[in-house]
Amino acid sequence: KAGVTQTPRYLIKTRGQQVTLSCSPISGHRSVSWYQQTPGQGLQFLFEYFSETQRNKGNFPGRFSGRQFSNSRSEMNVSTLELGDSALYLCASSLDYGGVGTQYFGPGTRLLVL
Amino acid sequence: KQEVTQIPAALSVPEGENLVLNCSFTDSAIYNLQWFRQDPGKGLTSLLLIQSSQREQTSGRLNASLDKSSGRSTLYIAASQPGDSATYLCAVIGTSGSRLTFGEGTQLTVNP
Repeated sequence: KAGVTQTPRYLIKTRGQQVTLSCSPISGHRSVSWYQQTPGQGLQFLFEYFSETQRNKGNFPGRFSGRQFSNSRSEMNVSTLELGDSALYLCASSLDYGGVGTQYFGPGTRLLVL
Repeated sequence: KQEVTQIPAALSVPEGENLVLNCSFTDSAIYNLQWFRQDPGKGLTSLLLIQSSQREQTSGRLNASLDKSSGRSTLYIAASQPGDSATYLCAVIGTSGSRLTFGEGTQLTVNP
């Protein structure tokens, strides 16, 4: 069974631009969560989607948004990029909502904002 | 607000040594606890999941224990190998949703 896939793997953008990242969960998994990882802040929760609905949101500005499609694939969007948005963005999938099972992470998208 | 702490921040051991990594959390109302490893520049690999009703889980040379009442978990690695070198992260899930709260990690180096 294929793991969690994320595209693209690397991105370079300039301040003020916007970016869209994609995550395909493990087949059959319906919950997708997004995390930002930086050297200074560690791993921080962005949001969680289940059945095309955002179920949980972390403490990030409204420039960060996401959505989930009927096939459970998810996208996150960051508008008006800032230098501080440079990070590794990780998505995780799990079978169901509510922390019942193991969460599996993708390889991440490394975003560099210049 | 849940806070997760991992001690030590870094650890260097010779190959073959048994070692223990520590994780503590402030709110004992957790649903489960998960241990991950992360290799440099890569994503997270799940190692072990312990449900809140369980006391320990084992996988190969790894054994994780959970004491929910005291807010502590340990990851025991037996007969360490150079391939075990990585950052080890523990994370807890609260009682609503799938949101993981992570510790800062322990960077492990196993020297040949």
